Amino acid sequence: DAKTTQPNSMESNEEEPVHLPCNHSTISGTDYIHWYRQLPSQGPEYVIHGLTSNVNNRMASLAIAEDRKSSTLILHRATLRDAAVYYCILRDRGSSNTGKLIFGQGTTLQVKP
Amino acid sequence: DGGITQSPKYLFRKEGQNVTLSCEQNLNHDAMYWYRQDPGQGLRLIYYSQIVNDFQKGDIAEGYSVSREKKESFPLTVTSAQKNPTAFYLCASSVSNKQFFGPGTRLTVL
Repeated sequence: DAKTTQPNSMESNEEEPVHLPCNHSTISGTDYIHWYRQLPSQGPEYVIHGLTSNVNNRMASLAIAEDRKSSTLILHRATLRDAAVYYCILRDRGSSNTGKLIFGQGTTLQVKP
Repeated sequence: DGGITQSPKYLFRKEGQNVTLSCEQNLNHDAMYWYRQDPGQGLRLIYYSQIVNDFQKGDIAEGYSVSREKKESFPLTVTSAQKNPTAFYLCASSVSNKQFFGPGTRLTVL
């Protein structure tokens, strides 16, 4: 499975946008880019995913580089409730896909009031 | 409300005892998963099941066992053979490229 690289931690101020980077230089053509986040002492929750085009939903936006070797999760206005560990995960859409997710250590986002 | 429930939230056991963690979902998902999380680490896959009466080992299956007799239920047994069972255990189910996680069970073996 292709690996991802994320900064260990980031800080943001409340009400400001946050850009969380992810590098995945060995991504294959069939890998989707998924983002999950985990609030303290809770299970992870799905945030967004994409393949080639930028994606938007009510939680966030996902900007994917043209060569797909990196992506950025964008939180448009950070709130204190966005403080969490954010995981960038590659998931093969091929027929052999077991559906499992491979979690790295993620980026711990701190949001300051 | 549809979702995944895990019980109990906190569990304490003595070393050498087997313990079973519950996971129930009413989302009508075929696929279910068990992950383990240690402090400051990401999740690691223990077992997964893509359909009733079938399950596969994940990356760290040793010392664990599962069953999948019903679509809604995927219990995990932590056996005495698991060397370091103290951890946060998370159950998930999936459909259409998304996984949905339960609230987790924090197991402490004394």
